[in-house]
Amino acid sequence: KNEVEQSPQNLTAQEGEFITINCSYSVGISALHWLQQHPGGGIVSLFMLSSGKKKHGRLIATINIQEKHSSLHITASHPRDSAVYICAARHQGAQKLVFGQGTRLTINP
Amino acid sequence: DSGVTQTPKHLITATGQRVTLRCSPRSGDLSVYWYQQSLDQGLQFLIQYYNGEERAKGNILERFSAQQFPDLHSELNLSSLELGDSALYFCASSVRWDGGSEQYFGPGTRLTVT
Repeated sequence: KNEVEQSPQNLTAQEGEFITINCSYSVGISALHWLQQHPGGGIVSLFMLSSGKKKHGRLIATINIQEKHSSLHITASHPRDSAVYICAARHQGAQKLVFGQGTRLTINP
Repeated sequence: DSGVTQTPKHLITATGQRVTLRCSPRSGDLSVYWYQQSLDQGLQFLIQYYNGEERAKGNILERFSAQQFPDLHSELNLSSLELGDSALYFCASSVRWDGGSEQYFGPGTRLTVT
């Protein structure tokens, strides 16, 4: 079992739908990162969070430390949101990130 | 644009060869991380440098080495290349050494070993 598990692996939705991507981790962490990887390969850091909730535009990330679970939500999804979304956990007392396998999101117009 | 630059963008080479990938961090960032993304393994952390010193090591093969120079740019050297080394190699930079700040990713170098 991977230390960081994401679900679903693939998600296809219609423009305007509310999207949820889940991330579960099995070890104690000090922070969780959400990344977006575009079809061209470039990676953009969306959020880094260690508790609670963060919002940026139509994107919301939440984390529940007790349940070792984080979610990334996209409201009013748009075809330009189509990308691979990756969560990454930073272990307590460590610098390195452990990555989930990614969720491939496709938003159809 | 993250402010992190990587060269070259693409590299095609043969098995057994040696290559050097280069990364320049964002202005002001002292920490550089190297990652490998292959189709079967996903993203994996290789190594981290902070202000010229190695700070953390991940799944980096002995055939691979890295360094960070006084001007803070970093190089990842891959030698005795094998087909399985074909991957996207990303570097990222951050202000802090302890992972407590956002990481900004470069555009990546796509390495193809034939």
